[in-house]
Amino acid sequence: GQNIDQPTEMTATEGAIVQINCTYQTSGFNGLFWYQQHAGEAPTFLSYNVLDGLEEKGRFSSFLSRSKGYSYLLLKELQMKDSASYLCAVRDKGYIPTFGRGTSLIVHP
Amino acid sequence: DTGVSQDPRHKITKRGQNVTFRCDPISEHNRLYWYRQTLGQGPEFLTYFQNEAQLEKSRLLSNRFSAERPKGSFSTLEIQRTEQGDSAMYLCASSFKDSQETQYFGPGTRLLVL
Repeated sequence: GQNIDQPTEMTATEGAIVQINCTYQTSGFNGLFWYQQHAGEAPTFLSYNVLDGLEEKGRFSSFLSRSKGYSYLLLKELQMKDSASYLCAVRDKGYIPTFGRGTSLIVHP
Repeated sequence: DTGVSQDPRHKITKRGQNVTFRCDPISEHNRLYWYRQTLGQGPEFLTYFQNEAQLEKSRLLSNRFSAERPKGSFSTLEIQRTEQGDSAMYLCASSFKDSQETQYFGPGTRLLVL
């Protein structure tokens, strides 16, 4: 089976930087995804990591360490619209990723 | 292409009724997935198709649930004899067969069973 852990909730201030961690235990590894999900809406793709290191995309970056079973999503210059749930999803050997419960991020002024 | 679409967006039904949901994937995507999501949880995998073949089904998918993708394009998910525990958001996603296989989600169908 798979075990994916993320903090349930985080709060941060507009303009700040926040790091959302994800740890996982899987029998194999074939990629890690981060999705953003606003309340009542579908998840939207943010990033994909399959090799160790940092992937940067504008204000969002994602880091992966396969040996530690660890990833984080870094959000810079936070905006109010970044308030959402952030889902970490890990694919072990097949095509189907397993999703964590998500981290609810609240950005306040 | 406008992305993955799902219909209906909302469904309210009485316990014991049958419901059917439709998903239209991104046109060039040959893989299609169904997930269920309840409040405070991440999406849980139900089943997936490669073209018209249903290749994997979760243990969550009881015998009251059936999914089809007859022509390898749109898919339907039917729930027979609905129960209150079936109330959830049903998400469809599609992906293209490449090394990354990123899934793109539709807006979901929110089901409420009374």
